[in-house]
Amino acid sequence: QVQLQESGPGLVKPSETLSLTCTVSGGSVRSGSNYWSWIRQPPGKGLEWLGYIYYSGSTNYNPSLKSRVTVSVDTSKNQFSLKLTSVTAADTAVYYCASVKSYGAFDYWGQGALVTVSS
Amino acid sequence: EIVLTQSPGTLSLSPGERATLSCRASQSVGSSYLAWYQQKPGQTPRLLIYAASSRATGIPDRFSGSGSGTDFTLTISRLEPEDFAVYYCQQYGGSPPISFGPGTKVDIK
Repeated sequence: QVQLQESGPGLVKPSETLSLTCTVSGGSVRSGSNYWSWIRQPPGKGLEWLGYIYYSGSTNYNPSLKSRVTVSVDTSKNQFSLKLTSVTAADTAVYYCASVKSYGAFDYWGQGALVTVSS
Repeated sequence: EIVLTQSPGTLSLSPGERATLSCRASQSVGSSYLAWYQQKPGQTPRLLIYAASSRATGIPDRFSGSGSGTDFTLTISRLEPEDFAVYYCQQYGGSPPISFGPGTKVDIK
């Protein structure tokens, strides 16, 4: 059973960079059958996909955030990470990491990390 | 850009009733890369259906998915008390590569 766990600061100041890491256990980020993704959910709102990465380093991002989002992978630590630059209050959300199967569905999710953008 | 629209926004039903949720895409979803998720308050979304009609591991058979192209449906044959939640559809492979619908809330009548 694959498990994912987000970690990182719960409070980020406006204009700064949000950084989160997802640690994968029970599976490997080197798995050729998975992509590794970030999704967020503002309080009381719906789900927004941010981006995903393959173990090779190939990435794909949501065009609405593309210029601010970077997803990276560290195969030696079995982790992948999210950086979101120039944050504003609108970036306040629960951030989830998840694995994406080849058929395009998110099968395993982390428990989510609430990140608040505030001075 | 593929935009997913879900209807109704809220569905008020009683336990034991049948629930029919709709997800419509603005363009055809290739190879039926359409999934459904259930999310309860304070919980992580749970994968119910992938590839439009395949149930994920451990999902009861009262949940079924159907459809292709631009019109997809999630059916819950008989609502159990634990099924009252928000349901999201999600597409993969379009532009943007992944997007979610706005959700349908199923609440107790």
